[in-house]
Amino acid sequence: DQQVKQNSPSLSVQEGRISILNCDYTNSMFDYFLWYKKYPAEGPTFLISISSIKDKNEDGRFTVFLNKSAKHLSLHIVPSQPGDSAVYFCAARGAGNMLTFGGGTRLMVKP
Amino acid sequence: EAQVTQNPRYLITVTGKKLTVTCSQNMNHEYMSWYRQDPGLGLRQIYYSMNVEVTDKGDVPEGYKVSRKEKRNFPLILESPSPNQTSLYFCASGLAGNTDTQYFGPGTRLTVL
Repeated sequence: DQQVKQNSPSLSVQEGRISILNCDYTNSMFDYFLWYKKYPAEGPTFLISISSIKDKNEDGRFTVFLNKSAKHLSLHIVPSQPGDSAVYFCAARGAGNMLTFGGGTRLMVKP
Repeated sequence: EAQVTQNPRYLITVTGKKLTVTCSQNMNHEYMSWYRQDPGLGLRQIYYSMNVEVTDKGDVPEGYKVSRKEKRNFPLILESPSPNQTSLYFCASGLAGNTDTQYFGPGTRLTVL
């Protein structure tokens, strides 16, 4: 059973609008959450992270929100740009420093 | 340039023929890891290594072997590949104290016929 789930396999938004990517997890022992971005034919690259003791972390156009009671995190991109089109993976850190990844969401930002 | 390299990038092989995918990093990272990416399943960890001569199983280690004889290299070995090991493989590295922020290689697409 997947402990980290991204229920939307794809998302399409207009340039300049907000993109919201969602992620749900089941393991309450996860203490750190990350978002990675992946372009075709490249490896994933780290985007932003949040500790379980926080509920929000912001870095430029990217903000991650964590709702521990709902075991839910989201990534907001404002404003969205065509260069943001990629696959986004959320990941959670558990025992032994292992990262568990979600299935990914493909974001398409239309000009 | 700081990077993680993998070779080969693409490989088509047949069932049972032993193969090795190499991974090398030039950032002096203690931590290295192998993942496989399959549609809808995201990245699943195969094996990881916290330092030289220290390796541990990830979520899906069956059918794979690794070794960490040097800090910079972490090869993935498939002794007897099977079609269910057809996948996209990524090697990653990071600092031991900050394994969350991992640096990924470009990926190796493996097809086992």
